[in-house]
Amino acid sequence: KAGVTQTPRYLIKTRGQQVTLSCSPISGHRSVSWYQQTPGQGLQFLFEYFSETQRNKGNFPGRFSGRQFSNSRSEMNVSTLELGDSALYLCASSFEGSDEQYFGPGTRLTVT
Amino acid sequence: QKEVEQNSGPLSVPEGAIASLNCTYSDRGSQSFFWYRQYSGKSPELIMSIYSNGDKEDGRFTAQLNKASQYVSLLIRDSQPSDSATYLCAVSVIQGAQKLVFGQGTRLTINP
Repeated sequence: KAGVTQTPRYLIKTRGQQVTLSCSPISGHRSVSWYQQTPGQGLQFLFEYFSETQRNKGNFPGRFSGRQFSNSRSEMNVSTLELGDSALYLCASSFEGSDEQYFGPGTRLTVT
Repeated sequence: QKEVEQNSGPLSVPEGAIASLNCTYSDRGSQSFFWYRQYSGKSPELIMSIYSNGDKEDGRFTAQLNKASQYVSLLIRDSQPSDSATYLCAVSVIQGAQKLVFGQGTRLTINP
């Protein structure tokens, strides 16, 4: 079974731009969660989608948003990028009813 | 107080010895507990999950949970250099909510 895939793997953007990251979950997994990982803050929960609906949201500003499609693929968008948004963005998928989350390889975003 | 706390290390263990990693959590209602391994430059990989008090063994890994003390640990027996990584403790407060709270991670080095 293929794992979680994320595209692109690396991105370099400038302040003020926006970015869209994509995540395809493991086949059969309908829940997709997004996390931000930085050296200072560690892994922090952004939001979670299930059946095209956002079920949970972390403590991030409204510049961070996401959506999920009917095939469970998910995208997250960050608008008006700031230098502090430089991070590894991780997507994780899980089977319905399970808390076990499986991570994709991540997208390394650098904001200059 | 952080919700999930781990000793950041580094923890240095000789090859063949037992590595012991510890984690405490603040929310007494937490339901599910996980250990992830993260190699440098890679994404977290789920290695153990535990839901009830006691020990759970999987190969060289043993997870231990004590809900009364709000304490989770991971033992790695017969440590190998390939076990050198950062180990992340994660807790799900609400079962099925798909929102994991992570500790900062413990960096483990196995010395040949």
